[in-house]
Amino acid sequence: AQKITQTQPGMFVQEKEAVTLDCTYDTSDPSYGLFWYKQPSSGEMIFLIYQGSYDQQNATEGRYSLNFQKARKSANLVISASQLGDSAMYFCAIDLWGSKLTFGKGITLSVRP
Amino acid sequence: DGGITQSPKYLFRKEGQNVTLSCEQNLNHDAMYWYRQDPGQGLRLIYYSQIVNDFQKGDIAEGYSVSREKKESFPLTVTSAQKNPTAFYLCASTQGESDYNSPLHFGNGTRLTVT
Repeated sequence: AQKITQTQPGMFVQEKEAVTLDCTYDTSDPSYGLFWYKQPSSGEMIFLIYQGSYDQQNATEGRYSLNFQKARKSANLVISASQLGDSAMYFCAIDLWGSKLTFGKGITLSVRP
Repeated sequence: DGGITQSPKYLFRKEGQNVTLSCEQNLNHDAMYWYRQDPGQGLRLIYYSQIVNDFQKGDIAEGYSVSREKKESFPLTVTSAQKNPTAFYLCASTQGESDYNSPLHFGNGTRLTVT
């Protein structure tokens, strides 16, 4: 069963605007962690933000924030004030108890000047 | 600076040859991982090791082998039994048992092409 779903086609955003990248997940386990990673064209995976299933508040990290809706099982990444350097692939991943990190298929974001 | 080093960045091999991808970390992390990435796909786990001299198969271990003789090193061998070895390979590490808020640190990857 697919644990992480990222179904958006390539996303485009104008520089300095905000963009939301969608992620839904599937688990019946009450304890889990959600991660977002950025992969530029150079290939390295860069950790952006983490949300725990018991966290009361949405995670924020600089221009990145996570719109965590537990009942809907969604963990959307919001990037504010987009920059040209934000153009990359973005991966959502879930860490379940007794399992290893499982990644979605990713979303391509292109920032237009 | 601490980090994970994967070498080489690009690797070319003939079909039927075994090839070993290097992964070294100086983060003093206990756990290390190998992932494979194909175009349009997310990362898939090949092998992982949580302690020296011990490792476990991931979701797609067939045709691969690993060793963990030193804490800093976790080389991956792509054997001739791997039917479709051309891919981008990423090594990662994290401190201790996977904790929910302990993110993976990744190397820059090795792009393997087998012809």
